[in-house]
Amino acid sequence: GESVGLHLPTLSVQEGDNSIINCAYSNSASDYFIWYKQESGKGPQFIIDIRSNMDKRQGQRVTVLLNKTVKHLSLQIAATQPGDSAVYFCAEQYGNNRLAFGKGNQVVVIP
Amino acid sequence: DADVTQTPRNRITKTGKRIMLECSQTKGHDRMYWYRQDPGLGLQLIYYSFDVKDINKGEISDGYSVSRQAQAKFSLSLESAIPNQTALYFCATSDSSTGTETQYFGPGTRLLVL
Repeated sequence: GESVGLHLPTLSVQEGDNSIINCAYSNSASDYFIWYKQESGKGPQFIIDIRSNMDKRQGQRVTVLLNKTVKHLSLQIAATQPGDSAVYFCAEQYGNNRLAFGKGNQVVVIP
Repeated sequence: DADVTQTPRNRITKTGKRIMLECSQTKGHDRMYWYRQDPGLGLQLIYYSFDVKDINKGEISDGYSVSRQAQAKFSLSLESAIPNQTALYFCATSDSSTGTETQYFGPGTRLLVL
């Protein structure tokens, strides 16, 4: 598969455990944030988003937490499954409707 | 996402050749983007277009050009390919009417320049 995750921080998780992936963003004026999942050989896929007027948002098995004080974003995946193995990266929206993407974290699910 | 398609999916070319990567979308989105991705790095924006008559340079536009032939089509050209343009290339779309910049990506084109 494509080595998108080469040299990325790697989180190894036992199947069934919860995963937490962290992201530090740079621009205090950013007002919208997105988490993407990228499986080997595929394009990034939207998972969940959150606006800056919220500090938590839940989806199906995923929760995003936003801490604007320290400019930190996290993605929690409940009951991690083998299909969750991928690179996860955050994106922040800043001026002129642009997105800035983080480098990503590789998640490896151990059966 | 099947709504955003890219052709070709894989391409091998030689230094100095001109090549074109194509992107089509059926999402009805007005905004389209081209990114490159290198191993261990984040997505880097090459060019973006907010509508058919709008073309803007991104962070790394040197050596690339684009054409927005229609709302649904956005092509990327490498005028004279060089080896350090070997990368994964992604097209993305977004809908300005949502008020957010959620972008939806195509499956990517893997380019190798020899």
